[in-house]
Amino acid sequence: SQQGEEDPQALSIQEGENATMNCSYKTSINNLQWYRQNSGRGLVHLILIRSNEREKHSGRLRVTLDTSKKSSSLLITASRAADTASYFCASSGSARQLTFGSGTQLTVLP
Amino acid sequence: EAQVTQNPRYLITVTGKKLTVTCSQNMNHEYMSWYRQDPGLGLRQIYYSMNVEVTDKGDVPEGYKVSRKEKRNFPLILESPSPNQTSLYFCASSFLADASYEQYFGPGTRLTVT
Repeated sequence: SQQGEEDPQALSIQEGENATMNCSYKTSINNLQWYRQNSGRGLVHLILIRSNEREKHSGRLRVTLDTSKKSSSLLITASRAADTASYFCASSGSARQLTFGSGTQLTVLP
Repeated sequence: EAQVTQNPRYLITVTGKKLTVTCSQNMNHEYMSWYRQDPGLGLRQIYYSMNVEVTDKGDVPEGYKVSRKEKRNFPLILESPSPNQTSLYFCASSFLADASYEQYFGPGTRLTVT
């Protein structure tokens, strides 16, 4: 079942600004991942946060996880035009399946 | 180079004509999976495989078949394609027999069924 929902569906910002995307899920999870997809291409893994973690950083990326609210957020700081892409959260409650959200289309204007 | 490859990358076919989309990974990964991506729906899982000869249905398996005879290959078979199977298809793999870890995606196959 499709359990991830992302907000907003689309986001447009100026270069240098921060971009925040949110993800909600419905069932308990082992971990939550974020992926990036450039137009029509394969997804690329960005970051994974475990269910017992609350925050994780990787370069300009910051991910938070609130298991009580079943939600996560991805913050991209100091955005660049090259960050323009779709971003997906993916949650797993078991070893068998990874369930993706519907994605946020981020446009960073130069 | 470590990668997941898919062939063909683009395919236009007619209703009812059987087709196979191949997927191969060179990373000795245990887990492999097929997804379809449709506008506004994100990625939906079709089938997955935890290991050789072990396959299971995902969320949208109707109209598809898979096999995992070798660890590196995981073909997707459409026995009788229909227009509602027009979509962008992705194969993915993961090192462990566990979907909850980082998945590596192929470049995608854009299928049009007329």
